[in-house]
Amino acid sequence: SQTIHQWPATLVQPVGSPLSLECTVEGTSNPNLYWYRQAAGRGLQLLFYSVGIGQISSEVPQNLSASRPQDRQFILSSKKLLLSDSGFYLCAWTAGLSGNTIYFGEGSWLTVV
Amino acid sequence: GENVEQHPSTLSVQEGDSAVIKCTYSDSASNYFPWYKQELGKRPQLIIDIRSNVGEKKDQRIAVTLNKTAKHFSLHITETQPEDSAVYFCASFSGGYNKLIFGAGTRLAVHP
Repeated sequence: SQTIHQWPATLVQPVGSPLSLECTVEGTSNPNLYWYRQAAGRGLQLLFYSVGIGQISSEVPQNLSASRPQDRQFILSSKKLLLSDSGFYLCAWTAGLSGNTIYFGEGSWLTVV
Repeated sequence: GENVEQHPSTLSVQEGDSAVIKCTYSDSASNYFPWYKQELGKRPQLIIDIRSNVGEKKDQRIAVTLNKTAKHFSLHITETQPEDSAVYFCASFSGGYNKLIFGAGTRLAVHP
């Protein structure tokens, strides 16, 4: 069966520090991968999505970036964090065909101080 | 761009009553409409979904209806229970763009 792993689960970072969140999917190949962010008490904002290795689409211009170095690995990064980057980050995946269920990782709580 | 509007933002009902949450979408190419339930501090969990070739789907106390002409879909929860209290998100999947766009969420409170 397919599983999705995301880490770290929580982190507290100072303003201006770098960020790296990692997500991997097991049990499938060529998944569509997504990064969402959820501010406290708010909805889910799509940040990036990828339909294949090296193919990244950005939804919101900001100081975050994403990379997909391997088929089932998706990384969210920042060179310098802002206070506004705080939130709950969720990685998600779906099979390549449209109309398939999207599954979320357990999420990463980021607090920028 | 693609947009999903969800109403109401908060909903309070008495245990045993029904709850209805409504969403509208903008992308006419959307073909998949899932609903997620998110409890505090946890990831969203899929509770029911519907595809564009179906008008209604039911799973025990939960049902979803889809009106493609009007581009809106709704979640119906009957005989609500306190454990139904959570934030519910609708979403629209655009096959042309391979992405899932979420509504802003509805905070449902079921009072005993």
